[in-house]
Order: sequence, then C-alpha cells, then structure tokens
Amino acid sequence: GAGVSQSPRYKVAKRGQDVALRCDPISGHVSLFWYQQALGQGPEFLTYFQNEAQLDKSGLPSDRFFAERPEGSVSTLKIQRTQQEDSAVYLCASSLGPVKEAFFGQGTRLTVV
Amino acid sequence: AQKITQTQPGMFVQEKEAVTLDCTYDTSDPSYGLFWYKQPSSGEMIFLIYQGSYDQQNATEGRYSLNFQKARKSANLVISASQLGDSAMYFCAMRVPRGNNFNKFYFGSGTKLNVKP
Repeated sequence: GAGVSQSPRYKVAKRGQDVALRCDPISGHVSLFWYQQALGQGPEFLTYFQNEAQLDKSGLPSDRFFAERPEGSVSTLKIQRTQQEDSAVYLCASSLGPVKEAFFGQGTRLTVV
Repeated sequence: AQKITQTQPGMFVQEKEAVTLDCTYDTSDPSYGLFWYKQPSSGEMIFLIYQGSYDQQNATEGRYSLNFQKARKSANLVISASQLGDSAMYFCAMRVPRGNNFNKFYFGSGTKLNVKP
C-alpha cells in the first residue's frame, strides 16, 4: 500500500484479555518501530526491527508485551493480560534506512476496561 | 542521554501569519537527525521536515522551515502563512544513529497549535 497501515483502529479489551495489534509497513522499508502514546503526551519508544531482527526492545514496559516481524514485513504487537495502564495509542512506523524519516500509521487506540 | 524539549504546550496564531514552534535537544553524539511531525486529531503522525546535524543550510519544505542553531542545540519550526488546516499537535523528534539504540526516535511532549480565522 501507499502508507503504513495499522489494524484495528480501535480496540476495547477487558482487563486480563490478550490483544494483538497489526502493522503493515510501507513495502521495502527495512526499519519498523512501535511506539506507545499516552493521551496528551509524545510517543514513547517500544521496540525496533531491522527486517526480521528485533534489534532493540528496551522500551517494552513489561514481559506482557511482545512484538514480532517473522518475515521482515508485517509486524504484530501482542499484549498479554492487559491492564488499564496499557490504554494508549500504539503507533507503528517504518523507514527505508537508519537516517531516513519514519512514516507513521494512524495508530491503534487501545482502551482497557 | 538523549532529550527533546518543547516548552510551549499551546500556541495561537492568526490565519495567514507566521508562527515559530520551539524545540531544543540534547545529545553528545555528533551525528543526528532532527524531525518535525504534525499530528492532527485523526491521530496519524505526518512527517514535515528533516535537518541533519551536518547540513550547512536550514531545511525548507514549502511553508515549513527549520531554524537550526547547532551551537544552541535548537531546531525551531517556522510555519509561514498559517492556514486553518495547520491546527494540530506538532512534535519535534531526534534520531541518533549509534550503537544498539541507533534507530530510536526521541520525541518531545508536543505543542498544540491553534490557527484562528
């Protein structure tokens, strides 16, 4: 597609439920990022992939968060046993290389009730 | 440590006037990239402009220009001839290519710009 696509756009989960968020990056983009954006805040880094390799996961807040990109294209961010503090917008971005601008998707707004 | 600071939580500007959004950054790495993104209420982060740390000239993209003052570590965004559609959140970001963190974007807290008709 022309841009980064994320699905679903909105997700309401009951506390304790597992969720999976999908990101389709721009075709050919090597780098892929996940960010978490709380209401009224700037995005906070979660994890980074270069192709299928997860090179940095230092931003993942707990071991309930897991991300994968098995074939170097589509990525999934999984959150197990969701908690209310996980409520945020989750942004995915991709870029051609390490010093290029990143293009963001519209995000998935997760609300944990 | 890498840090981006945006000190203006909110700004107002009259339509057709110019506005400057402030951004200062902190890094000890000599090589870095500075970015501005626009985030309308729809939520998508839209790339506006990029400045590399070794670029000699200030970046410009249409009505957007980046006032890069390296010694002061500032990278202010200037929007000329403001339009109603410019009303949005604006984020300054930095990317430092080094080590295992070389592809991390560091974002500021954002400035909400309101353009008045």
